Amino acid sequence: SAVISQKPSRDICQRGTSLTIQCQVDSQVTMMFWYRQQPGQSLTLIATANQGSEATYESGFVIDKFPISRPNLTFSTLTVSNMSPEDSSIYLCSGGERDYGYTFGSGTRLTVV
Amino acid sequence: KQEVTQIPAALSVPEGENLVLNCSFTDSAIYNLQWFRQDPGKGLTSLLLIQSSQREQTSGRLNASLDKSSGRSTLYIAASQPGDSATYLCAACGAGSYQLTFGKGTKLSVIP
Repeated sequence: SAVISQKPSRDICQRGTSLTIQCQVDSQVTMMFWYRQQPGQSLTLIATANQGSEATYESGFVIDKFPISRPNLTFSTLTVSNMSPEDSSIYLCSGGERDYGYTFGSGTRLTVV
Repeated sequence: KQEVTQIPAALSVPEGENLVLNCSFTDSAIYNLQWFRQDPGKGLTSLLLIQSSQREQTSGRLNASLDKSSGRSTLYIAASQPGDSATYLCAACGAGSYQLTFGKGTKLSVIP
C-alpha cells in the first residue's frame, strides 16, 4: 500500500489568512482525496484531486475556499483560504487504487484563532 | 445515496475479551469495504479490505466479514489488548464510485 506523508501535522493560524497542506505519496496513485474531520465527527469528503485538471468538489465545498492542486500522480496540496474559527478541524488526505484500498496521511490539525 | 451506520458508538471491554464491531450499509451494490483504525488526533490506518466477492478477510487477531445481501460487515477482534483502544471506522466503496462512504465509527476502550 502507498505511504502518504502529510505536512504540516498541526498549525495555529490567524483568521483571514491561508494555509496550504501538502501530501506526498511514495508511489504513483490514481486517486487522491481530501477530507475534513471536525471534533468528534466522522470524515467528510471535500474533493477528489484530479491529476492535471480541476478538482471535483462535494456539495458545500467550493474551489475559492479550498483550492486544490495535483500536478502529478504522487503529490497534492489543499489550501484553506481566508480562514475563520469554523475552519478549525483535522484535514486528511487519502490516496491509492480502488482495487487495493486507500491509505491516509497522518492528518493536519488546524486551529484558527 | 449510500449510508453507513456503525453500532455501538462506543464500547468498553476488559482486556482479553473477544469482541465484534458492526457496520451496516444501505446500498448493497458495493465494490469493496474497508476497515480503519484511528487513534486520537491521528490519521487513519487501514486494517482490512474486503472485496465484494469475498466473505471474509483475516489479519492476525482481526477478522472482517461481509454479507452484501444483508448489507452488513463485522470486525471481530480476538483477545483484545489495551493497545487496541481506538476508534474503528468502516467505509464502503460503491460499485459505481471511487469514493468511500464512512460510518461514524465505534470508539473502543480496552480496560487493563
